[in-house]
Amino acid sequence: GAGVSQSPRYKVTKRGQDVALRCDPISGHVSLYWYRQALGQGPEFLTYFNYEAQQDKSGLPNDRFSAERPEGSISTLTIQRTEQRDSAMYRCASSLAGRGREQYFGPGTRLTVT
Amino acid sequence: AQTVTQSQPEMSVQEAETVTLSCTYDTSESDYYLFWYKQPPSRQMILVIRQEAYKQQNATENRFSVNFQKAAKSFSLKISDSQLGDAAMYFCAYRTPGDGSSNTGKLIFGQGTTLQVKP
Repeated sequence: GAGVSQSPRYKVTKRGQDVALRCDPISGHVSLYWYRQALGQGPEFLTYFNYEAQQDKSGLPNDRFSAERPEGSISTLTIQRTEQRDSAMYRCASSLAGRGREQYFGPGTRLTVT
Repeated sequence: AQTVTQSQPEMSVQEAETVTLSCTYDTSESDYYLFWYKQPPSRQMILVIRQEAYKQQNATENRFSVNFQKAAKSFSLKISDSQLGDAAMYFCAYRTPGDGSSNTGKLIFGQGTTLQVKP
């Protein structure tokens, strides 16, 4: 079946612009995670959704970052007033409910802020 | 807060030889999972192997095995009969079970180890 998809795969934007990154999880996966990965580093957790409820946003770096999942399926990560330090790979992952379920990662969106 | 440390930024192995990648972690929890992920140049995230903390037996997946030392909080990955396709960045990761709203199951990753396989 289809895996996790993300769009766009690449995004180049100018500093100060807003960007919206989309994640389409595997059908039936109720848990959805967003991570950010700088080049040469491990991914860092940003936020977590259980169905449509955002249950953990402790990893969002500041209030320019927000995420939503209004119908418990597709999720959007929005970065307002982008800065160069926001340049990174943004990945989402989804999983079934229940303990220890494997997270399936999408291909990521590579964001470059110029 | 939980942390994961990979102290080897780069490792090298000859094809067909064995290599061990190190990982240590810190947690006060007793119930958790540990993972090794592979990230090739394509930058996909590929799950290599997982270990449940309550299982004493070390996990094995074909040429990949772990040495899980719970008391020492150590979780190393052994790759046997290394192949050119094993060349990648490897990440060790920790997560709680993810079975409740206060236990979300987010992954905490180490800094990664780049593995080079020499022909």
